[in-house]
Amino acid sequence: GNSVTQMEGPVTLSEEAFLTINCTYTATGYPSLFWYVQYPGEGLQLLLKATKADDKGSNKGFEATYRKETTSFHLEKGSVQVSDSAVYFCALSDRGNDMRFGAGTRLTVKP
Amino acid sequence: DGGITQSPKYLFRKEGQNVTLSCEQNLNHDAMYWYRQDPGQGLRLIYYSQIVNDFQKGDIAEGYSVSREKKESFPLTVTSAQKNPTAFYLCASSPPMGGGRQLGYTFGSGTRLTVV
Repeated sequence: GNSVTQMEGPVTLSEEAFLTINCTYTATGYPSLFWYVQYPGEGLQLLLKATKADDKGSNKGFEATYRKETTSFHLEKGSVQVSDSAVYFCALSDRGNDMRFGAGTRLTVKP
Repeated sequence: DGGITQSPKYLFRKEGQNVTLSCEQNLNHDAMYWYRQDPGQGLRLIYYSQIVNDFQKGDIAEGYSVSREKKESFPLTVTSAQKNPTAFYLCASSPPMGGGRQLGYTFGSGTRLTVV
């Protein structure tokens, strides 16, 4: 079945450091890929998405490129801020409205 | 602004008690979902509904029940049969006809349920 695997956290970085959170997927079809962010005590918010291979999703300085050959959708940001501290979820949707989430990666950014 | 409203934000349940979590959306979305989130873990699907008066079990439906009498509302009841209900519950919605695949889900702000 479809599944998403994320790098285990927690990840702790200093402000202005480069961020990479790895995400790989398994799917039988041609899924859309998503990154969601969850701030403490809140629901998930859609951060960015890509609906086909080689698409790059971007938002608020975060980027991820849909790589079909490596079945990956790694999240990157060139310079993180304290306000980026949150839990990040990679997800895929293959058929209909079904959405499968990774386990989440907690990011803490220290000043 | 359109969105999803979950209430209450915090809920306490006594042993053997049923409780109902509210989820209301004004996004005109046909599909709605309930997820459970345990500390340090991902999201697990409890129930989903693609259309009014129809719903399907997800991966962990035992001990839960839902109804979908109106497009805007998808309440979740945590029954006494759910032996470990303490968790964070998230409601989500998406447009129909594969809209979730194209646009992603919209989430509410969650309800934290604690057994006392």
